[in-house]
Amino acid sequence: TQLLEQSPQFLSIQEGENLTVYCNSSSVFSSLQWYRQEPGEGPVLLVTVVTGGEVKKLKRLTFQFGDARKDSSLHITAAQTGDTGLYLCAGAQGGSEKLVFGKGTKLTVNP
Amino acid sequence: SAVISQKPSRDICQRGTSLTIQCQVDSQVTMMFWYRQQPGQSLTLIATANQGSEATYESGFVIDKFPISRPNLTFSTLTVSNMSPEDSSIYLCSADRQGETQYFGPGTRLLVL
Repeated sequence: TQLLEQSPQFLSIQEGENLTVYCNSSSVFSSLQWYRQEPGEGPVLLVTVVTGGEVKKLKRLTFQFGDARKDSSLHITAAQTGDTGLYLCAGAQGGSEKLVFGKGTKLTVNP
Repeated sequence: SAVISQKPSRDICQRGTSLTIQCQVDSQVTMMFWYRQQPGQSLTLIATANQGSEATYESGFVIDKFPISRPNLTFSTLTVSNMSPEDSSIYLCSADRQGETQYFGPGTRLLVL
């Protein structure tokens, strides 16, 4: 059973479009991280959210942590070709430093 | 953040041999982790590398197959032993210095023939 369900698994859009990636669970997380990974590289941390209902913005990226700390979303406005990559959500459960990863969303932004 | 390097970046190995992957962090960290990732897929945790004690392995991974060392707070190694083609994968190390935030190395791409 996948603890963190991430959707969609694949997303192909045109430059300038908006998109949202979802990360859902029935479990509560003390924090949730979003990473982006490009081919041949390791995952790069985008943001950490820790408070239920928290919203963080990173330029065109908006991250939200659900009120109950069971889900999160990543919204990208006016996508650019440089946004192409594998987006991974990962949750930490209280008392453990281990992360549980979602299956990832492979985003392709076409020119 | 932490800067993490891994060596080698990639290797092609013959079945039955072993490969040791090194992970170096630019500053002292509390926790280090080793993951495996199939291309285009998500990450699977192999083990937590504990400084001064044996690594803690996840279900499905055993010390005989993936021995891990953590001699100090900035360095760890993962050995993939008696390799088979099924071990072909990307191996990633990560470090945790601020509680629950992990930073990743660039990965080691392993192909076993």
